[in-house]
Amino acid sequence: QLQLQESGPGLVKPSETLSLTCTVSRGSITVGAYYWGWIRQPPGKGLEYIASIYQTGNSHYSPSLMSRVTISIDTSKNQFSLNVYSVTAADTAVYYCTRDNLYWGQGTLVTVSS
Amino acid sequence: ETVLTQSPATLSVSPGERATLSCRASQSVRTYLAWFQQKPGQAPRLLIHDTSIRAPGIADRFSGSGSGTEFTLTISSLQAEDFAVYYCEQYNYWPARTFGQGTKVEIK
Repeated sequence: QLQLQESGPGLVKPSETLSLTCTVSRGSITVGAYYWGWIRQPPGKGLEYIASIYQTGNSHYSPSLMSRVTISIDTSKNQFSLNVYSVTAADTAVYYCTRDNLYWGQGTLVTVSS
Repeated sequence: ETVLTQSPATLSVSPGERATLSCRASQSVRTYLAWFQQKPGQAPRLLIHDTSIRAPGIADRFSGSGSGTEFTLTISSLQAEDFAVYYCEQYNYWPARTFGQGTKVEIK
């Protein structure tokens, strides 16, 4: 069964860049026609779509975040990554990496605080 | 952007009873709607996709219906493990997607 695991710092200072990586195991990121994506959930709140990327590098962003976000893919490492720039406290959330809607990582809490 | 509105915000149900959750879209999403279950401290779990197709391993007490702008998730007989928060998601223009704000199903 495909597994996804998020990694990255748990604490980021305001105005800095939040960088997360999702490592895919028990399967190849290049097999099949799938979008790999990021979704976040502020504490006690609902789910928010951030961005998705195809194995060819074709990407899609949420309109509300696209000015501050980039997503990338490294097929040689079986990983994809997310950068959120100029973060504020509103970016504090559990960040999930996903493949389609079926496979989710366990999530990683990122807190934005000085 | 398509806005999804879920109702009610909280649903109090006794074990063994039927639960009906609603999701309304601000514009037609055809049948491109999914339902997720989320328990505290866990990632969301896909229950239903394409309005009515159960994901692998999902019990048949979960069923989905609807089309266009009105959708329903029905849990026919609530089990103890079903008390959780449920989200709907539309993906009419995949990979773009939006989520509803969630319905909490709690024990009555």
